[in-house]
Amino acid sequence: AQKVTQAQTEISVVEKEDVTLDCVYETRDTTYYLFWYKQPPSGELVFLIRRNSFDEQNEISGRYSWNFQKSTSSFNFTITASQVVDSAVYFCARPNNDMRFGAGTRLTVKP
Amino acid sequence: NAGVTQTPKFQVLKTGQSMTLQCAQDMNHEYMSWYRQDPGMGLRLIHYSVGAGITDQGEVPNGYNVSRSTTEDFPLRLLSAAPSQTSVYFCASSYIAGGDHEQYFGPGTRLTVT
Repeated sequence: AQKVTQAQTEISVVEKEDVTLDCVYETRDTTYYLFWYKQPPSGELVFLIRRNSFDEQNEISGRYSWNFQKSTSSFNFTITASQVVDSAVYFCARPNNDMRFGAGTRLTVKP
Repeated sequence: NAGVTQTPKFQVLKTGQSMTLQCAQDMNHEYMSWYRQDPGMGLRLIHYSVGAGITDQGEVPNGYNVSRSTTEDFPLRLLSAAPSQTSVYFCASSYIAGGDHEQYFGPGTRLTVT
């Protein structure tokens, strides 16, 4: 199985701190995608971003940015100037017919 | 569009009972899937379908059956519920499999087996 590993189980920061969530994946494919999802305390899954393996450019969307490095098989997610509303569980995923999710990182942002 | 809908939202079963979790989507998506979410384990794929009449097993298929007679519906059957099946179940759909398109998730069903 092509695993997705999120080694950080829980992270706690104070508001306005920057925080990086790590994601390491395994794949034998030359072309593949990676996703990030957010699960707030209400429980729904919110899609954040999709990247494909051809595009290693970093992506920025407001306070969110993603760093994709094929050389280290990593797709890390950074929140700049964190806010209380960023408190959630964040999942990295490797989509395929047999889709694999990481175990998730629970981020708590304290005021 | 209603998106992906799941019923029921909550269910309590006794060990040995059977039931069906319903999932429907109105986006004409070919790919549909079922996941279970347990604390500390992320989402694990139970079964998936790449189109009507086609289903396949995911990572944790034991104790569950699925069928896909229409594009819209993908029910998940628990044949004989066990306490180990206590979990939150999510249904998802996407236009096709493989990551070219976002997966849309339903709101989840919280199942407790006593």
